[in-house]
Amino acid sequence: QSVLTQPPSVSAAPGQKVTISCSGSNSNVGNNNVDWYQQLPGTAPKLLIYADNKRPSGIPDRFSGSKSGTSATLGITGLQTGDEADYYCGAWDSSLDVGVFGGGTKLTVL
Amino acid sequence: QVQVVESGGGVVQPGTSLRLSCAASGFTLTNHDMHWVRQVPGKGLEWLTAISHGTSNKYYAQSVRGRFTISRDSSKNTLYLEMNSLRAEDTAVYYCAQQYLALDNWGQGTLVTVSS
Repeated sequence: QSVLTQPPSVSAAPGQKVTISCSGSNSNVGNNNVDWYQQLPGTAPKLLIYADNKRPSGIPDRFSGSKSGTSATLGITGLQTGDEADYYCGAWDSSLDVGVFGGGTKLTVL
Repeated sequence: QVQVVESGGGVVQPGTSLRLSCAASGFTLTNHDMHWVRQVPGKGLEWLTAISHGTSNKYYAQSVRGRFTISRDSSKNTLYLEMNSLRAEDTAVYYCAQQYLALDNWGQGTLVTVSS
């Protein structure tokens, strides 16, 4: 059981938009930065969004992040087949002094 | 080029120990918080432990506290994960990751299999 809650899977057609939610609590999502990672099949995770809504260099603006209260959201527009991957949210939990991840969401581009 | 490379994985018996290494290049290890994260094949990411850059404070997930120890050798620019009393449920790919903006740079992972 992950500390952060994500939907197990989402799907959408190429060119469409999809959102992935990440729900936590005040000790993690509510009061700390939320980061998002993309894990393509057979590869290591890759940082996609940091500090709730910032994109590292090289990440296209099709990817966006937002946060409200104890929930965060990853948005992906203009879906491509190459976006098929597992997506994880992560944050620091200040009460437990540990890092926490969501259970991951598998994105299928139909 | 910033890079981290894990090594040391393998097949071990339950109850034994193993030390993983994470060799850093392109940056100075002691200037960054460093983390270990694992992933059971086909499952999600599990954060395990971190060491802070300045104070060398160490943090552990409940699942490994008391069994795993994170450390680093500045002269070798290498991060370590000492794992004791290994259990079957510790079977996973173990990643080290450099923290800069978040967990920015991950290695390719090293597979640890705990089996009799």
